[in-house]
Amino acid sequence: DQQVKQNSPSLSVQEGRISILNCDYTNSMFDYFLWYKKYPAEGPTFLISISSIKDKNEDGRFTVFLNKSAKHLSLHIVPSQPGDSAVYFCAASEGYNTDKLIFGTGTRLQVFP
Amino acid sequence: GAGVSQTPSNKVTEKGKYVELRCDPISGHTALYWYRQSLGQGPEFLIYFQGTGAADDSGLPNDRFFAVRPEGSVSTLKIQRTERGDSAVYLCASSLTGDRLNFGPGTRLTVL
Repeated sequence: DQQVKQNSPSLSVQEGRISILNCDYTNSMFDYFLWYKKYPAEGPTFLISISSIKDKNEDGRFTVFLNKSAKHLSLHIVPSQPGDSAVYFCAASEGYNTDKLIFGTGTRLQVFP
Repeated sequence: GAGVSQTPSNKVTEKGKYVELRCDPISGHTALYWYRQSLGQGPEFLIYFQGTGAADDSGLPNDRFFAVRPEGSVSTLKIQRTERGDSAVYLCASSLTGDRLNFGPGTRLTVL
């Protein structure tokens, strides 16, 4: 049973436009959500997080939105840059710690010039 | 400072063999994690150490998998009697407790 779902395996966006990556979850006990970015042959790197007491968190070009009632979160990247091309993983945990993260299957973002 | 390092970067073995995968965490990080990423999937939690002890090993798939961290720094993931289904990228991460995970580049294990 996949508790964290990323239903779009890939996304292609033109440079300068907005990229929107989506994530759904089923476990209502999840309190903390994170996005990780992964380049080939490297480990995932932390991008941005949000706790369940907020509905938005922004860091530069990256904004994460959380809709608890819909059990849905999204990552917005604006403006998108070619260096953003990577696989993006959504992850969640119960409680405000990262001891045991549950990851989605990832979305491959390609930003073309 | 250096990030999390993992050795070897690639390991090819035959079905039934024993393998050890090593993780060197970031210096001073008390928490260490092992995850496994199979093809087309996201990372899957295996085990979490706080210091020398395994605080949560609920993700280990069966008793062929074992991990140690004897001095609270380097960790070794051990897999006995490997099976083709064990083929995956094994990721190690470390953190200061409660902080974000810092992942290493992973070890790609291929069981023939």
